[in-house]
Amino acid sequence: EVQLVDSGGGLVKPGGSLRLSCAASGFTFSSYSFNWVRQAPGKGLEWVSSISTGSSYIYYADSVKGRFTISRDNARNSLSLQMNSLRAEDTAVYYCARDYYGGSGYKRIDNWGQGTLVTVSS
Amino acid sequence: DIQMTQSPSSLSASVGDRVTITCRASQSISSYLNWYQQKPGKAPKVLIYGASSLQSGVPSRFSGSGSGTDFTLTISSLQPEDFATYYCQQSYSTPITFGQGTRLEI
Repeated sequence: EVQLVDSGGGLVKPGGSLRLSCAASGFTFSSYSFNWVRQAPGKGLEWVSSISTGSSYIYYADSVKGRFTISRDNARNSLSLQMNSLRAEDTAVYYCARDYYGGSGYKRIDNWGQGTLVTVSS
Repeated sequence: DIQMTQSPSSLSASVGDRVTITCRASQSISSYLNWYQQKPGKAPKVLIYGASSLQSGVPSRFSGSGSGTDFTLTISSLQPEDFATYYCQQSYSTPITFGQGTRLEI
């Protein structure tokens, strides 16, 4: 069974840092690209960052560029998001999310972690 | 960035109703359009990919159509478990973007 377990969220002051982790199991982690997607309280879904299978292709939303860093460890089946210079507007549930292409070639997110809440407040 | 606009933002319906949610992209995205369902406190779940393909395990009462800029998600006969928020998402280009969501209420 595919499992993605998000962790690392918590309360942090503005300007602070936090590192989120996603532990994967039940599939060949190194064969999939991943995303972080966040959802502010009561709001919609916002893509944050993505990373390719071998970490060659990394992308960020403009809202986090220069502050967040995505990384992966294929040997440990883990995905991370280092978040620096946090702002109140970064408050959200952060989901680790797996990309899937299948035979059709159409990419979709087929598995999500349970989410981890990040609260940025003084 | 490609903007995705859903309508309506909220919708009241009853069990057994047929409902349609629309999604419009700010530029052509061919058929690179996915639909997700999200229930309170839970992660989203993919329903439709490639605009019209049903994700494995999803009931056949869900269907999607469209291409280019205009897309629809249809639920043919609402069941109690379908009351949730629905999001469209384009996978045509990075950054992937989501619609603002449609809340389906009783």
